[in-house]
Amino acid sequence: GQQVMQIPQYQHVQEGEDFTTYCNSSTTLSNIQWYKQRPGGHPVFLIQLVKSGEVKKQKRLTFQFGEAKKNSSLHITATQTTDVGTYFCAAVPNAGNNRKLIWGLGTSLAVNP
Amino acid sequence: ETGVTQSPTHLIKTRGQQVTLRCSSQSGHNTVSWYQQALGQGPQFIFQYYREEENGRGNFPPRFSGLQFPNYSSELNVNALELDDSALYLCASSLMSGSSTDTQYFGPGTRLTVL
Repeated sequence: GQQVMQIPQYQHVQEGEDFTTYCNSSTTLSNIQWYKQRPGGHPVFLIQLVKSGEVKKQKRLTFQFGEAKKNSSLHITATQTTDVGTYFCAAVPNAGNNRKLIWGLGTSLAVNP
Repeated sequence: ETGVTQSPTHLIKTRGQQVTLRCSSQSGHNTVSWYQQALGQGPQFIFQYYREEENGRGNFPPRFSGLQFPNYSSELNVNALELDDSALYLCASSLMSGSSTDTQYFGPGTRLTVL
């Protein structure tokens, strides 16, 4: 079945360093969503990207959707300990009426104070 | 808070037993999706219910079944529990309408342990 690859699987950074996670699909996507899951918690919606080349910012977080709508990235500037958690991308394929989210495996971020 | 609630929060069962998990969706939402999340893994799609009918299913055996009620709340039933069914079960509510793509709002999950 269709897959969404997310890299890296794990990332350790020092507080203040930047962090980026990437999400890649072999097929064109209708849109992509990003979620954050804190340890012991449940996924929380962060943002949705729909347009080719779209860039959205939320404070220190920058989200991009590729021109071909096959990849996306989440970049955190100057990480803080509150950024700890697993970041998931979840994509909706472009084909048909099936709008089920296809989830990446997530990138777990650890931040050393 | 998302307004999505799940019960119970924790559950311990033994192999072969049956379990029912419940989810109350966010007000105004008509779609509920169920996910299984094993420790350290991403959510795995079990199935989705839209207006009381199953609207897609992931790679889970028939012993995983569900219901959606007229008020859009939902149940997940698992029969003949196996050890590998131990996981966090997440319910996500969303509004499916026209061509819009549905942001999913997750409940806190039910942690199921099968012994």
